[in-house]
Amino acid sequence: DAGITQSPRHKVTETGTPVTLRCHQTENHRYMYWYRQDPGHGLRLIHYSYGVKDTDKGEVSDGYSVSRSKTEDFLLTLESATSSQTSVYFCAIRDRDTSNYGYTFGSGTRLTVV
Amino acid sequence: QQQVKQSPQSLIVQKGGISIINCAYENTAFDYFPWYQQFPGKGPALLIAIRPDVSEKKEGRFTISFNKSAKQFSLHIMDSQPGDSATYFCAAFSGSARQLTFGSGTQLTVLP
Repeated sequence: DAGITQSPRHKVTETGTPVTLRCHQTENHRYMYWYRQDPGHGLRLIHYSYGVKDTDKGEVSDGYSVSRSKTEDFLLTLESATSSQTSVYFCAIRDRDTSNYGYTFGSGTRLTVV
Repeated sequence: QQQVKQSPQSLIVQKGGISIINCAYENTAFDYFPWYQQFPGKGPALLIAIRPDVSEKKEGRFTISFNKSAKQFSLHIMDSQPGDSATYFCAAFSGSARQLTFGSGTQLTVLP
C-alpha cells in the first residue's frame, strides 16, 4: 500500500523467542496503530502511537510492546512469542488533520508461532 | 467485550443482487462510522464512511444507512458483482478515545 510498508510479510518463529515487526510510513502521519486480525474477531487494537515516544495500550496489549523513536517507524515486539500470538498483524496510519478519520493499512505480516 | 457487533458472518449473493451487512454499537461517544473492504492477502481499505448527523450516504453502488436512535448502521451493495467478493468490516471511531473499533467482519461471496 502506498506510503506504508510492513516487514517482514511472513515469519515463522518458535515459542519463547522474541519477534519484532516493523511498520514504516512515508506520509509523515502522526498517528500509527498496530492491530491483529483473527477469524471471528475482526481487527483488535494492540498498541497505538500519537507521536515519537508517545504510545499507549490497546484492547489486546498483553505480551506485546512497541517503540516509536522516529515519526516514520513503529515497531511491535513480542517479548516471548506464544502460539496464541499466531495471527496476521496490520499496521495503520492516520493523518492528524484529516477530517474523515480514515485509516490507511499496510499489507500485513503473517506470523506463525510453532 | 465487543463494542461493535456485525452480522452476518458470511453472505452469499447472486450477481446483480443486493448485499446487506448490519452493525450495531453501544458507545454513544462514537462519532464516525467507516466501512472497510478487504481482499485476501491485503490490508483493509476504506470503502465509505458516515457521520451520525446523516441518515444515509451513497457512493456509487455502495450505500450506508444510519439509525442513530437504534444505534445501528448497515452497508448496502446494489447490483452486487463477483469483484465485490471480499471481507467487509464495519467500524466506529471515537474522537475522544482516538481509536477505531472494528466489527468481526462479513465474508461476502457474489456468485456469477
